[in-house]
Amino acid sequence: DGGITQSPKYLFRKEGQNVTLSCEQNLNHDAMYWYRQDPGQGLRLIYYSQIVNDFQKGDIAEGYSVSREKKESFPLTVTSAQKNPTAFYLCASRLSSGTGNTIYFGEGSWLTVV
Amino acid sequence: RKEVEQDPGPFNVPEGATVAFNCTYSNSASQSFFWYRQDCRKEPKLLMSVYSSGNEDGRFTAQLNRASQYISLLIRDSKLSDSATYLCVVNTNSGYSTLTFGKGTMLLVSP
Repeated sequence: DGGITQSPKYLFRKEGQNVTLSCEQNLNHDAMYWYRQDPGQGLRLIYYSQIVNDFQKGDIAEGYSVSREKKESFPLTVTSAQKNPTAFYLCASRLSSGTGNTIYFGEGSWLTVV
Repeated sequence: RKEVEQDPGPFNVPEGATVAFNCTYSNSASQSFFWYRQDCRKEPKLLMSVYSSGNEDGRFTAQLNRASQYISLLIRDSKLSDSATYLCVVNTNSGYSTLTFGKGTMLLVSP
């Protein structure tokens, strides 16, 4: 089945630790995105990538880092510099960044700081 | 003014009711529009795209008014399974293409 796979689904992090969330897609999409969603809030863009080896900061990039070494993969690292990382993280992809293309989401990763 | 603004909700309706959600957007250069459905603790899923001429998919009808920068979603004959949060999504091409999400409106359909 084609789709977007995120892992892990649930993750607990100790304060001061970096963690990496995995996102893999087999849809042959060029554009990939990371969003964060807090309870009762809308989705906020962390980083996006329109092509391999290129990525751009979104609205809330501080404390996060990404890489895009392969078309299929767009991992997100939540660093210790992110002061309030507990949230629902959603990876998404689109065929391209053209305006008519719909966006598809992975099932999400729940990150909790303990 | 927020970029994409939706009715705050929640909307509580009985089964069989008709319910309408409204969404306004601030960027007149916005080019494409979508409604997504998000179940509790799940990822958003595409419900329907919104076309200038309006479009219908079964019990769901989407309308776009570019002059007023307004999008609507109408659900007829509500089912219990329609209970979810409905997200308005606007795509604006500003050098690079960006998607802006509304905060969503929660719908609760009761027996």
